[in-house]
Order: sequence, then structure tokens, then C-alpha cells
Amino acid sequence: GESVGLHLPTLSVQEGDNSIINCAYSNSASDYFIWYKQESGKGPQFIIDIRSNMDKRQGQRVTVLLNKTVKHLSLQIAATQPGDSAVYFCAEIFYGGSQGNLIFGKGTKLSVKP
Amino acid sequence: DSGVTQTPKHLITATGQRVTLRCSPRSGDLSVYWYQQSLDQGLQFLIQYYNGEERAKGNILERFSAQQFPDLHSELNLSSLELGDSALYFCASSLQGTGGGYTFGSGTRLTVV
Repeated sequence: GESVGLHLPTLSVQEGDNSIINCAYSNSASDYFIWYKQESGKGPQFIIDIRSNMDKRQGQRVTVLLNKTVKHLSLQIAATQPGDSAVYFCAEIFYGGSQGNLIFGKGTKLSVKP
Repeated sequence: DSGVTQTPKHLITATGQRVTLRCSPRSGDLSVYWYQQSLDQGLQFLIQYYNGEERAKGNILERFSAQQFPDLHSELNLSSLELGDSALYFCASSLQGTGGGYTFGSGTRLTVV
């Protein structure tokens, strides 16, 4: 596989622990937020999304929290597994923008130790 | 398999040359997006097409162009290539012109030598 980023913040966790990945977004008017997982050599894969009128959404083993006051988004992964090792990107969508809808953050590399 | 097909997977070419990257969207999706991913820039939005028409433009260089054909597949043309154009190029598709539900392909790795 190929590395998608050598200068990313890295989070290292023990298998079975919970992981929290944070993201600061840029546009206070963004309507929609998405977390993507990117494994080496693959394209981004949708994990979970949340609309701007919500502050929490849960999926299978994942929870996304949105704090619009400080423009902060977080992804919580419960009982982290080796297969969760990847780069995680947050992305925001502003429906009224002419710049294009889906804007990505820088990414965080999650490394799970067995 | 995400349903979004990109070809070729790898491309090596010399500076000054021109290449074409191809994307077939997921069946039923009308919108195609192109992104560039380099080591120090993350995923940068380039351009979006919806049902054959350009919908939005991002940080796309004038040396780059794209189009979406009647069968909804899209091509990204990169010309007068420079070393700095080396990157992963991803295509994504969605049903609507805006909103969530983006599905990404596996990308084309372009290396300019």
C-alpha cells in the first residue's frame, strides 16, 4: 500500500481501548459533516455523518459529536480494533457554496497496537 | 468495490506531457467530483460535474480540465505536467448535485518524472 500522508497528527491506541479523533472545521455555516476512513492505497470510505442541527449521532461502534460553538467535531471509536488503523478525515459541506460542497480537513492517522 | 471505477490505477509520465484520468460513477449517480491528494495538502477539491454540466470549481489549475460525458463517466485532463502534479487523484460520485452520500473510487496514482 501507499502512505497517504507523512505529516499527519498520529493517535496511537491499544487494541480494545476507545479512540477519540478531533477535528476543527472552518465554516460556521456548514450544513453537514462527515467522517471518512482512508486505508493505505484506497479511497476515502464513509463512516458516519451528522447534520448541523444535531450535536450527537451514534453508529455501530462510532459516535460523532458536533460542537458548533467552537467549530469542533469529534469521532469516537469504541473498542478499537487493528482493522481501525487508517487515516481519518473530517469533511464539511456547505450547500450554498460555489467552491464545491465537500471540503476535507487535514486528517489524523490512527495506529492500533495489538 | 465502492462502485466508482477509476482508471488507470497507476500512471508514470514525464514533465510537460498530458494525461487523461477516467472515472465511471456508481450506477445511478449523476454527480462526479474530482479531488487531488498530495502528501502535504490533504484532499483538495478540484471540480464537480452534475449530469454533464460543470457545477462547481475548486482549486483547479488552468492546465487541468475535466468533462462529464452523456453516459456520465468523467475524464480529468492534466497537461503541461510538472513534478508537483504528482499525487493521488480521486473521483467521487453522488446521486444529487449537493449533499452527502459521496462514494469514492480507489484513485489514480500519478507520478511525474
